[in-house]
Amino acid sequence: DTEVTQTPKHLVMGMTNKKSLKCEQHMGHRAMYWYKQKAKKPPELMFVYSYEKLSINESVPSRFSPECPNSSLLNLHLHALQPEDSALYLCASSPLPGAYGYTFGSGTRLTVV
Amino acid sequence: AQSVTQPDIHITVSEGASLELRCNYSYGATPYLFWYVQSPGQGLQLLLKYFSGDTLVQGIKGFEAEFKRSQSSFNLRKPSVHWSDAAEYFCAVGARLGGNKLVFGAGTILRVKS
Repeated sequence: DTEVTQTPKHLVMGMTNKKSLKCEQHMGHRAMYWYKQKAKKPPELMFVYSYEKLSINESVPSRFSPECPNSSLLNLHLHALQPEDSALYLCASSPLPGAYGYTFGSGTRLTVV
Repeated sequence: AQSVTQPDIHITVSEGASLELRCNYSYGATPYLFWYVQSPGQGLQLLLKYFSGDTLVQGIKGFEAEFKRSQSSFNLRKPSVHWSDAAEYFCAVGARLGGNKLVFGAGTILRVKS
């Protein structure tokens, strides 16, 4: 298995909702990442998990809450989002932290209404 | 911190013509360099990467890139473009020492005309 799987592919949520994005990989990678990509912009790093521990938080608002329950799974919990949070959320993994052999998932297209 | 500049927002080439997408980076040492491709609404696919060694790197789909330290550049090339190459291309740079953050350029949208 050489893929990063993200679910759901599309999500529409209200500003008072709580939802979660899921990312899964079975390549034995020990670093996992969340990126946010607004329309017509490059991906921007949000969080990095190294060996299941949060190692980088790029000053992301607390309405985004990451979780890494095990080495294969990465979640992004969403609560009280704003319309400007609408974007493509990309998950990636790499064999080791700093290894940069990133494999990206196809993303979750999030729309906040 | 590292940064990347892709000077061309859009490029249009004819099918069968050659392609060169420009990328310039800023980093205090030799960085790790990457090119990714993204089709609309999709994730990113790695085309090629440079870590060290031969400065001409071969990638998938017939792409290649050349690392030029003197020009701080890592331009992507393809000798003959196919209509299916129409997509957005991102150059990215990673810090070689102690880094764990991939920084992307703004992207270049490639249009292919038949």
